[in-house]
Amino acid sequence: DAKTTQPPSMDCAEGRAANLPCNHSTISGNEYVYWYRQIHSQGPQYIIHGLKNNETNEMASLIITEDRKSSTLILPHATLRDTAVYYCIVRGSGTYKYIFGTGTRLKVLA
Amino acid sequence: DVKVTQSSRYLVKRTGEKVFLECVQDMDHENMFWYRQDPGLGLRLIYFSYDVKMKEKGDIPEGYSVSREKKERFSLILESASTNQTSMYLCASRESGDQPQHFGDGTRLSIL
Repeated sequence: DAKTTQPPSMDCAEGRAANLPCNHSTISGNEYVYWYRQIHSQGPQYIIHGLKNNETNEMASLIITEDRKSSTLILPHATLRDTAVYYCIVRGSGTYKYIFGTGTRLKVLA
Repeated sequence: DVKVTQSSRYLVKRTGEKVFLECVQDMDHENMFWYRQDPGLGLRLIYFSYDVKMKEKGDIPEGYSVSREKKERFSLILESASTNQTSMYLCASRESGDQPQHFGDGTRLSIL
């Protein structure tokens, strides 16, 4: 499975868009990108996933570059409740291993 | 919404006890997982089950066993609890294929 690299921490002002980057330069053609977040003392919460195309749901948007070597999770209007650790994971199709790295600790500031 | 329920949020047990952690999912998912999460080490996979009565070892299966007698329930067993098994334990489930895993809220287990 491809490794991912994320910045250890980021701050974002409440109401602004939070853009969380992830580098996965060794990703292969059949590997999906998944994003999760974990609020303290809770289990990871699924946010969004994609293979090649950009994706959007009620929580966030996922932008994957054309070469698929990086992606960005966008929370369009961050709130204080979005303060969490965000994990970017790449998992190969047909495998069951999700490798969670250390993630990005996002702090949304009032 | 997918619901993955772990039987206890907090549990305290003694060294040498046999400990059972239970997990139930309500979405008829084929695959279920047990992880532990420790500071600085991230989530590590203990066991995975791809169907009833089927299991595979993850990265750190030593000292653990699992049971999946029914599709909705996946149990993690600590055969003889030790202090180094003090951790947060997380259960997850998913449909097969490329669908995402969904996690429970975790059980914080302390072994004294």
